[in-house]
Amino acid sequence: QSALTQPASVSGSPGQSIIISCTGTSSDIGGYNFVSWYQQHPGKAPKLLIYGVNDRPPGVSNRFSGSKSGNTASLTISGLQTDDEADYYCSSYTNNNAIVFGGGTKLTVL
Amino acid sequence: EVQLLESGGGLVQPGGSLRLSCVGSGFNFSDYAMSWVRQSPVKGLEWLSVISDSSDKTYYADSVKGRFTISRDNSKKTLYLQMNSLTAEDAAVYYCATNYRYFDRWGQGTLVTVSS
Repeated sequence: QSALTQPASVSGSPGQSIIISCTGTSSDIGGYNFVSWYQQHPGKAPKLLIYGVNDRPPGVSNRFSGSKSGNTASLTISGLQTDDEADYYCSSYTNNNAIVFGGGTKLTVL
Repeated sequence: EVQLLESGGGLVQPGGSLRLSCVGSGFNFSDYAMSWVRQSPVKGLEWLSVISDSSDKTYYADSVKGRFTISRDNSKKTLYLQMNSLTAEDAAVYYCATNYRYFDRWGQGTLVTVSS
């Protein structure tokens, strides 16, 4: 199972919005609504931000939102804050009962 | 407070074996499917395996199928990962996490180093 494709890095200024894309295939993102997004700060475990394409767990800011079109999912972060600077990973359920992750995107808040 | 605490990592020689454990607290462990995920600088995040709440179903990533075995003891609120025939490519931080199609709770991770 090949990893999902994410941009290596994105950047934005405080208050701006950014979008991180995550591209897969019809065997994963395109075939199921089981896309998740995670935030990881250095030295910490990943934290779930979005599940089921666009649902947020309790306690996650509504500045984080998810969407999907075809084989590509997207994470939008609005009102960028300095603490948003972290690595972001997407994941998807696949047609062979596996989970596949993206390679990760480093967000820099300028 | 929900907690997952992994243990059992360390240095192992190529071809060797290791068993990881993950103890859950602060939630009803037996109600949740549990997964193992690892992270290395080379491969990034990689899902390894999942076990259902009652242990009747298990799934594995192709990269570990036949070498790793997931199991659980709900009476001890503990998840296990038996890892055999380890290679340098298995060196990583290993996390346990709740659920399957998404991972809402993660442990702090345990480091596995494979070297002679």
